[in-house]
Amino acid sequence: AQSVTQLGSHVSVSEGALVLLRCNYSSSVPPYLFWYVQYPNQGLQLLLKYTSAATLVKGINGFEAEFKKSETSFHLTKPSAHMSDAAEYFCAVSKMDSSYKLIFGSGTRLLVRP
Amino acid sequence: EAQVTQNPRYLITVTGKKLTVTCSQNMNHEYMSWYRQDPGLGLRQIYYSMNVEVTDKGDVPEGYKVSRKEKRNFPLILESPSPNQTSLYFCASSLWVSTSGSNTQYFGPGTRLTVL
Repeated sequence: AQSVTQLGSHVSVSEGALVLLRCNYSSSVPPYLFWYVQYPNQGLQLLLKYTSAATLVKGINGFEAEFKKSETSFHLTKPSAHMSDAAEYFCAVSKMDSSYKLIFGSGTRLLVRP
Repeated sequence: EAQVTQNPRYLITVTGKKLTVTCSQNMNHEYMSWYRQDPGLGLRQIYYSMNVEVTDKGDVPEGYKVSRKEKRNFPLILESPSPNQTSLYFCASSLWVSTSGSNTQYFGPGTRLTVL
C-alpha cells in the first residue's frame, strides 16, 4: 500500500535560513510525488512534482525537492526562507489504481521568524 | 482564469438538514474529486469521477453522495449531515490520462462546514 509520512507537524526557521521539510513515502511501484502548499484560508497550490524524469525537481517560489529512491524520500528545501513562505505544506503520492487519488501526508506547518 | 470554484465557502448547519456543496471547473478536465481535510490527518478522498456519469467511492464515502451530470460540475451532497462531518472540504480536478498518475490536481478554495 502506498503511504506518505511527513516528519514534524511544525517547523520553525528564521527569515533567511534554510528550509527543510521532510517527506518519506512507501510505494511498491515507482511513485509520482507532489508537494502542495496551503496558505491560510486558501486551497492547495502545487509547488512541484516528481514524475520520474529528473530526480532534482525545481518548483515555484524557489523551492526544490530531490527524489532519493534508496532513502524513499522526497524532502522539500529552499535555501533562504521568506516571511511569505509561512504556510502548511503537504507531501502526496499518487495512488496507482483506477482512482488516481492523491494520498497525503499529515502536513507540516512552516513558521518563519523575523 | 483557469480555476476550480466552490460554494459556499463557509456553512453552519444542523444535524439532519440536507445540504449541497457545489464545485465547478472551467478547464475542461475529465477527472474531479472531493477530499476532506481534518487536523493531523491530511486530506482524504471522499468520491471521484473520471468523466460524466462515472463516479466511484474514495476512502471515506459514508454519508456523502455525488453526481456528475455535466463535465464542469461535481456537487457533493450530504443527505443527513452529522457532527462528524464537520470538516474542511476541497474539490479538485485534473486532466485524465489513462495509466498515469502524474496529472496535476487543481484545488478549489475549500468549504468549511460545521454541523451542530
